[in-house]
Amino acid sequence: KAGVTQTPRYLIKTRGQQVTLSCSPISGHRSVSWYQQTPGQGLQFLFEYFSETQRNKGNFPGRFSGRQFSNSRSEMNVSTLELGDSALYLCASSTRGSEETQYFGPGTRLLVL
Amino acid sequence: EDQVTQSPEALRLQEGESSSLNCSYTVSGLRGLFWYRQDPGKGPEFLFTLYSAGEEKEKERLKATLTKKESFLHITAPKPEDSATYLCAVHRGRDDKIIFGKGTRLHILP
Repeated sequence: KAGVTQTPRYLIKTRGQQVTLSCSPISGHRSVSWYQQTPGQGLQFLFEYFSETQRNKGNFPGRFSGRQFSNSRSEMNVSTLELGDSALYLCASSTRGSEETQYFGPGTRLLVL
Repeated sequence: EDQVTQSPEALRLQEGESSSLNCSYTVSGLRGLFWYRQDPGKGPEFLFTLYSAGEEKEKERLKATLTKKESFLHITAPKPEDSATYLCAVHRGRDDKIIFGKGTRLHILP
């Protein structure tokens, strides 16, 4: 079974730009969660989507948004990038949600200059 | 405020030297505790899920245990390939959120 895939793997943007990251979950998984990982804050929950609906949201500003498609693939968008948005963005999938084991993708490394 | 604290932040061991990593939590309504391993430049890799105090799970040289306030990841006779960052996370029942600790960086010297 193929694992969680994320594209792109690396990205360099400048302040003020916007970025869209993509995540394809494990086949059959309907829940996709997004996390931001930085050396100072560790892994922080952004949001979770299940069957195309946002089911949960972390404490991030509205510049961070996401969506999920009917095939369970998910995208995350960050608008008006700030230097502090530089991080590893991880996507995790599970069959039903946070009560179950989540399987992580390799992440997208975003650098904002 | 709910917290997940991992200690130590970093640990260097000689090959074969057993030790334990700690994850203490103050989370109301714990519904599960997860252990992950993360190698540099990669996403976390699932190791264990524990649901209730007294539960134990084992996999190769790793054994995870859970009490009402903390979890331990015991590493027996580690090898250099066990070097990684080990992450602990809890599932908070009241809002279904996953809260991660900042991890323990483990380095096993040959």
